[in-house]
Amino acid sequence: AQSVSQHNHHVILSEAASLELGCNYSYGGTVNLFWYVQYPGQHLQLLLKYFSGDPLVKGIKGFEAEFIKSKFSFNLRKPSVQWSDTAEYFCAVAPSGSARQLTFGSGTQLTVLP
Amino acid sequence: NAGVMQNPRHLVRRRGQEARLRCSPMKGHSHVYWYRQLPEEGLKFMVYLQKENIIDESGMPKERFSAEFPKEGPSILRIQQVVRGDSAAYFCASSEQRGSYNSPLHFGNGTRLTVT
Repeated sequence: AQSVSQHNHHVILSEAASLELGCNYSYGGTVNLFWYVQYPGQHLQLLLKYFSGDPLVKGIKGFEAEFIKSKFSFNLRKPSVQWSDTAEYFCAVAPSGSARQLTFGSGTQLTVLP
Repeated sequence: NAGVMQNPRHLVRRRGQEARLRCSPMKGHSHVYWYRQLPEEGLKFMVYLQKENIIDESGMPKERFSAEFPKEGPSILRIQQVVRGDSAAYFCASSEQRGSYNSPLHFGNGTRLTVT
């Protein structure tokens, strides 16, 4: 069975700072990788996803993530955060070809100070 | 286009009572998934349904839990004789087709169940 680790439970940044949220997974086969975001009071939304091809994936709102297979990592990055990026961020993994069987990390709460 | 609608948002039940959680998928979506988020943990897959069919219930506890997605109406996650350990956030997601690159999951806001 797959598992996902998000090492930072709470990250606090000032506006314009750069962001990197760590995500490591364990699974013996080929995986699909996702980052979801949950803004306060809202539902989970897909931020970006990796299925195959270029390991550097660009998502919405200026976010990107890089899949490093040798490190089993899929870290989320953004060069310059905004106050509106305050939210909880979830990394998720699913076996390739079975995107419905997502396993999520425990989430990272990002607080951006104005 | 309304998103995935879950109700109620918060549900409080005493031990031994039944809990019914409802999920209306996005318009045009015929695939529904239920996930549970226990405190301090990530979301865990419970069950995947299409209209009138349970496709994959490998994440469902063997007893007291059941799910349905009737031809008409919302999907229902039913928990009988609730216990304190059932307290969690339950998320529903829907997709147009079986979860794939071009058919991402859309999540509802979740139902927070508290068992007292």
